[in-house]
Amino acid sequence: QVQLQESGPGLVRPSETLSLTCNVSGYSTTNTNYWGWIRQPPGRGLEWIGSVLRGGNTYYNPSLGNRVTLSLDTSKNQFSLSLSSVTAADTAIYFCVRQRQWLVILDYWGPGALVTVSS
Amino acid sequence: ETVMTQSPLSLSVTPGEPASISCRSSQSLLHSNGYNYLDWYLQKPGQSPQLLIYFSSNRASGVPDRFSGSGSGTDFTLKISRVEAEDVGIYYCMQGLHTPPAFGGGTKVEIK
Repeated sequence: QVQLQESGPGLVRPSETLSLTCNVSGYSTTNTNYWGWIRQPPGRGLEWIGSVLRGGNTYYNPSLGNRVTLSLDTSKNQFSLSLSSVTAADTAIYFCVRQRQWLVILDYWGPGALVTVSS
Repeated sequence: ETVMTQSPLSLSVTPGEPASISCRSSQSLLHSNGYNYLDWYLQKPGQSPQLLIYFSSNRASGVPDRFSGSGSGTDFTLKISRVEAEDVGIYYCMQGLHTPPAFGGGTKVEIK
């Protein structure tokens, strides 16, 4: 069955770059056009970070400015998130998702990775 | 930016009784293709969210038929015909028609 798994450092220093990878198993990233990232600050609601398309195009939430970069590596069956110049406000659980349609129908989610921004 | 407003904030339900959650969008979610770009998700305690309903009224694979979604335009409703203990968690609506996509604030469902 389709499984997504986030991986990356759980602690990032302020002003540094947060990097996470989502490994996809049981499904080829070449078969679906859209992959995305969602985050959830502890005890709070959900925020869309961005999406990456199979052809390499991306969509980013304007609330994150130009700090976010997403990429897709179909040869490794994974996609990645990079968020620069992090602050404590970026502390959150980060989820990777498969999107069945553009910006909707998030039908598979990873278990989430808690990233804490702290010195 | 599209604002999604859910009500109530929380709900305490007796097992076997129905429950209803409202989601209102600040802009119409009706696409020219006739679909409303509105999903419902349930986040059970300690878990990642799971898709329940997509395009306002379509149940996702494996979702029990006690869950139903309705609505069009700006007003949407998620109904649980008979709440079970496993239905506890936070329910979120999400719109994907307008950028950026946005989630509602969530409705916490508890069992009495």
